[in-house]
Amino acid sequence: EPEVTQTPSHQVTQMGQEVILRCVPISNHLYFYWYRQILGQKVEFLVSFYNNEISEKSEIFDDQFSVERPDGSNFTLKIRSTKLEDSAMYFCASTSTGMGNYGYTFGSGTRLTVV
Amino acid sequence: QQQVKQSPQSLIVQKGGIPIINCAYENTAFDYFPWYQQFPGKGPALLIAIRPDVSEKKEGRFTISFNKSAKQFSLHIMDSQPGDSATYFCAARAGTASKLTFGTGTRLQVTL
Repeated sequence: EPEVTQTPSHQVTQMGQEVILRCVPISNHLYFYWYRQILGQKVEFLVSFYNNEISEKSEIFDDQFSVERPDGSNFTLKIRSTKLEDSAMYFCASTSTGMGNYGYTFGSGTRLTVV
Repeated sequence: QQQVKQSPQSLIVQKGGIPIINCAYENTAFDYFPWYQQFPGKGPALLIAIRPDVSEKKEGRFTISFNKSAKQFSLHIMDSQPGDSATYFCAARAGTASKLTFGTGTRLQVTL
């Protein structure tokens, strides 16, 4: 079964540093998303991306965050200057709007720890 | 209005029992209601989903009941097993390929 692949699985960074989280969505999917989950809490939407541009973003997704699809397979989330409160699991997801398919597939996540 | 309210927060049932997890929403534009299962350290995995034009959907031991007029939906797990112990999230979406709004999660423990 096709998977969404995320790397790294765990990243530790110092406060103020930049991090890039990487995702390889399912190859025939057209819509891409980033979500985050602070430990023990619900999954929160960050941003959606379609046709090489942001289609929607949440209030969490401020100027410190950016997304990019640098080539035909990768989808990245950059946090420019990390804060302690950015520590969370970050999940990439993708979906296709093909006939009868409404499923969103999530990756296994990157655990980001800001120290 | 974008919220999805989920209850209970946690649930303990014996093996073979039928845990029921409930969700409620306000936004009538929601058109797709999935349930996700999440194990510790893993991403949410799609379990079962329903659209508002049907009142019930079954897949294996998992059943969604949907009440459009009450704006509520629930997950039933038949013949629950210890391997079903996980956190379950309901979610909702308003429009094709739009973002998912998640409930707060239910931690299910199935004991022997």
